[in-house]
Amino acid sequence: GQNIDQPTEMTATEGAIVQINCTYQTSGFNGLFWYQQHAGEAPTFLSYNVLDGLEEKGRFSSFLSRSKGYSYLLLKELQMKDSASYLCAVRDSNYQLIWGAGTKLIIKP
Amino acid sequence: DAMVIQNPRYQVTQFGKPVTLSCSQTLNHNVMYWYQQKSSQAPKLLFHYYDKDFNNEADTPDNFQSRRPNTSFCFLDIRSPGLGDAAMYLCATSRGDSDQETQYFGPGTRLLVL
Repeated sequence: GQNIDQPTEMTATEGAIVQINCTYQTSGFNGLFWYQQHAGEAPTFLSYNVLDGLEEKGRFSSFLSRSKGYSYLLLKELQMKDSASYLCAVRDSNYQLIWGAGTKLIIKP
Repeated sequence: DAMVIQNPRYQVTQFGKPVTLSCSQTLNHNVMYWYQQKSSQAPKLLFHYYDKDFNNEADTPDNFQSRRPNTSFCFLDIRSPGLGDAAMYLCATSRGDSDQETQYFGPGTRLLVL
């Protein structure tokens, strides 16, 4: 079966750095997405990785290792507004998007 | 400036009473998706349209139907809602012609079944 694993919940301090990991086992690979979802709202696109390496976008960076089936989302200079769920999603060989359950990130002052 | 619009944002219905959720988009995207998301769970794809071509997920119950009368609009019909159908329903769109294929989501409709 296809599977996306992410920690259920993480806690970090305002101003700090946090890394959210995602491991996947899918039928093929055609890209990995990270989305942010605030409570009660729709997911919003953060990043896309299809090649190995690091993609940096402001305070957020996303890393991919296809050989390891692994990605992480790195959030720097954490702000209270970063409190949200972060969903990892992988597009498989059929171009279907397989979603993780999300990691709830709690930011403390 | 809303690009994917869902109405209503909150819907209350009675057990067994049909309900329709609507989605519209101003992006002129080819693909429209309907997802069901329950608390602390991954979004679950119900079906999607590529233009007028309808693609139903194998495990989507028959109770859920969809219509896409034109490029801009897509509807989700729940024929006989049960208590287990209470969830957030998310509509998303994508261009359908690029490798990246980012999906853009509407704000969602939260369905409550009494």
